[in-house]
Amino acid sequence: EVQLVESGGGLVQPGGSLRLSCAASGFTFSSLDMTWVRQAPGKGLEWVSSITGSSAYIYYADSVKGRFTVSRDNAKNSLYLQMSSLRAEDTAVYYCAGGTYEKIDYWGQGTLVTISS
Amino acid sequence: DIQVTQSPSSLSASVGDRVTITCRASQDISNYLAWFQQKPGKAPKSLIYAASTLHSGVPSKFSGSGSGTDFTLTISSLQPEDFATYYCQQYNTYPFTFGPGTKVDIK
Repeated sequence: EVQLVESGGGLVQPGGSLRLSCAASGFTFSSLDMTWVRQAPGKGLEWVSSITGSSAYIYYADSVKGRFTVSRDNAKNSLYLQMSSLRAEDTAVYYCAGGTYEKIDYWGQGTLVTISS
Repeated sequence: DIQVTQSPSSLSASVGDRVTITCRASQDISNYLAWFQQKPGKAPKSLIYAASTLHSGVPSKFSGSGSGTDFTLTISSLQPEDFATYYCQQYNTYPFTFGPGTKVDIK
């Protein structure tokens, strides 16, 4: 059974940092591109970042570029999102997703990040 | 960046209705368009990629069409489990962008 399980969400003060993790199982993790998508409360979906299977190519939304860093450890079947200089507008449920350039095959259940003083 | 719009933003429909949602990209994206369904409190579910190819396990009542800048998602006969919010997303060029969503609720 394919599973993507996010963790690491929580309440952080503005300007703080947080590291999200996504543990993958049930498929060959290293062969898939991985993506972070977020959803602010009551809002739509926002693509955040993608990383190819070998980590050769990494992409970010303009809204997080320079503040967020995506990485993966294929030996541990894990995806990460290091978030720094956090702002109130970063408050959202963060989903990890796996697939190819052409399609997202798998979604996690999401982890909530709240930025507030 | 490529902007993606959807219309309508919401619609009310009855069980058995045929429903069509439109997605428009601000520039030619060929067929690099996906559709997702999301129910309240749940993760999105992938429905369609490459504008018209159904993901495995997605029922054939869903169909997608279009290329270039204009795309549609059609649900041929709306069922209770189809009431949800639907999003399109372009993946022709990074940064990938989602449409704002179309909420389908019960009339």
